[in-house]
Amino acid sequence: GAGVSQTPSNKVTEKGKYVELRCDPISGHTALYWYRQSLGQGPEFLIYFQGTGAADDSGLPNDRFFAVRPEGSVSTLKIQRTERGDSAVYLCASSLFGGEGSPLHFGNGTRLTVT
Amino acid sequence: RKEVEQDPGPFNVPEGATVAFNCTYSNSASQSFFWYRQDCRKEPKLLMSVYSSGNEDGRFTAQLNRASQYISLLIRDSKLSDSATYLCVVIGSGNTGKLIFGQGTTLQVKP
Repeated sequence: GAGVSQTPSNKVTEKGKYVELRCDPISGHTALYWYRQSLGQGPEFLIYFQGTGAADDSGLPNDRFFAVRPEGSVSTLKIQRTERGDSAVYLCASSLFGGEGSPLHFGNGTRLTVT
Repeated sequence: RKEVEQDPGPFNVPEGATVAFNCTYSNSASQSFFWYRQDCRKEPKLLMSVYSSGNEDGRFTAQLNRASQYISLLIRDSKLSDSATYLCVVIGSGNTGKLIFGQGTTLQVKP
């Protein structure tokens, strides 16, 4: 079946612009996670959705970052007033239930470059 | 201090060698642990879960030492295809299900 799909795969934007990154999880997966990964680092947690609600948004670095999942499936990560330090690969993952015993399935990521 | 710490390596080993990676975690309340594998410019994929009793999957053995708060991964008879970054992962506190990743340890197996 289809895995986690992320679009776009690459995004280049200018400093100060607004971007939206989209994630289509595996059908039926209730848990959805956003991570970002910089070169040479492990994925850094941003936010976790259980259904439509954000169960844990403690990883969002500041109020320029916001994510939604209005119908409990597709999620959009929104970044306002982008900065060069936002450049990274943004990874989305979904799991059937969330928590232990429910492995994460990652998408291929969106590579964001802020110039 | 990071919640999950790993030696980034790289570990360069010949084919057939046995190699071990360690990982330490800071939250003593953590209950679930995993090793993920990530190939260059690809997404992370679950390699194996880590249980208190230790577990083995073919050439791979994972162990957990709760007293010392470290997790290990042993790879025996390493293959060229084992070359990748190995990420140590801990489920964060608060039972929200968020996974905390280490920096990753890079393994390069050479012919």
